[in-house]
Order: sequence, then structure tokens, then C-alpha cells
Amino acid sequence: DVKVTQSSRYLVKRTGEKVFLECVQDMDHENMFWYRQDPGLGLRLIYFSYDVKMKEKGDIPEGYSVSREKKERFSLILESASTNQTSMYLCASRERGGGTYEQYFGPGTRLTVT
Amino acid sequence: RKEVEQDPGPFNVPEGATVAFNCTYSNSASQSFFWYRQDCRKEPKLLMSVYSSGNEDGRFTAQLNRASQYISLLIRDSKLSDSATYLCVVNSDRGSTLGRLYFGRGTQLTVWP
Repeated sequence: DVKVTQSSRYLVKRTGEKVFLECVQDMDHENMFWYRQDPGLGLRLIYFSYDVKMKEKGDIPEGYSVSREKKERFSLILESASTNQTSMYLCASRERGGGTYEQYFGPGTRLTVT
Repeated sequence: RKEVEQDPGPFNVPEGATVAFNCTYSNSASQSFFWYRQDCRKEPKLLMSVYSSGNEDGRFTAQLNRASQYISLLIRDSKLSDSATYLCVVNSDRGSTLGRLYFGRGTQLTVWP
């Protein structure tokens, strides 16, 4: 059974804290993604990675960074959390390339910044 | 212009109704198309891929019109369990973004008894 797991389902942090969101996949996928999802705005891509140590900015990278030291793990870092980063964060993985490969999502982390 | 545009709804239909969702995409070079389903407070999951000739999976039919850059999803004989948000998704085949999917904002469906 394919699996994408995220380190926390719910997280509450204070403004200015450094926040780490961890994602692990067990499907040996090359591509991994971090999204945030907000009501009315849909899924927005923050960063993605198509290989170890490789990363590309998505549509809303400001205020975030990522790390991919191992193929199975992709971390999202909020250097200094702000209240406007309160959101649902979803990690996903997919085999590289086009075609009809399915993208698998983790269960999400609901982050609240107070 | 957004890569994928779809009507957010909401669509509220009775059980047994037929409902159709549409979306348009902007990149004419896109090659792969999908519908994902997202239940409330859950992650999105693949519902079905969309093939050029159209395809059917039980009560669900997906169609692709490349000339108009238009994708549709038809649900027949709606069930209560079909209540969810349906996401139109397109694969980008451009350069380093190879394998990135573009998601529409989703269309919300509620089926009532």
C-alpha cells in the first residue's frame, strides 16, 4: 500500500518560531511537492523537488524553504512563522515524467500560527 | 491567466441526478489530464485519468476536447457518497517542471437525499 506520511496532523506555533514540516514517502518517487490549501484558493504549490538536493520554486515560495537530503524525505521549513502562514499543508509525491502517473498526497498538517 | 480554471460551484443535487463539471486549461501542449476527488478534511485522491477518446468508470464519464482545451466530468445516478470537491488537474510537460501537476480550485458537490 502506497504511503505518504507527514510528521504532524496538527501543529500550533507562535509568531517568529522556526517550523519544520516533515514528509516521507515509501514509493521511491523522484518528485515530491509541498502545497498549502486555503478556503477559496485551492491548492497552491510552494516548492517541489525532482531529485535529491534539487528544488524548484512553486507559485508561492516566499517565507518558505525546503530540504531534500534523502530521496524519501522532503522537509518544508518556515524560517520565521507568521500568522498568514496558518493553513493546511499537504505533501505529495509522484514518479518523474509526464504520462498518467498518479500523485499521492499525505494526510496534511494543519498549522496554526498565533 | 491560471493554468486550470473550473467553476467552484457549489452544486447541490438530489440523489439520482446527473451532474456535469467542466474545466478549461491554458497550456495547449499539456498531455495528461485527471480528475481528483477531495473529501472534507481529507487529502485529494485520484478519481480517474482523462483520455483523448473519453473514458468511463462506472457512473463516471470523463471527456477531453483538445481543440477547445476543455475537460468534463459527468456523474450519473448521484449517490450521497459522491459529495466532495472535484479537482480538475493537468500535467505540465515543460522543461524542468516535467511531472508537475496543475490543480484547479475545485468544484464542490453536495448530493442530498
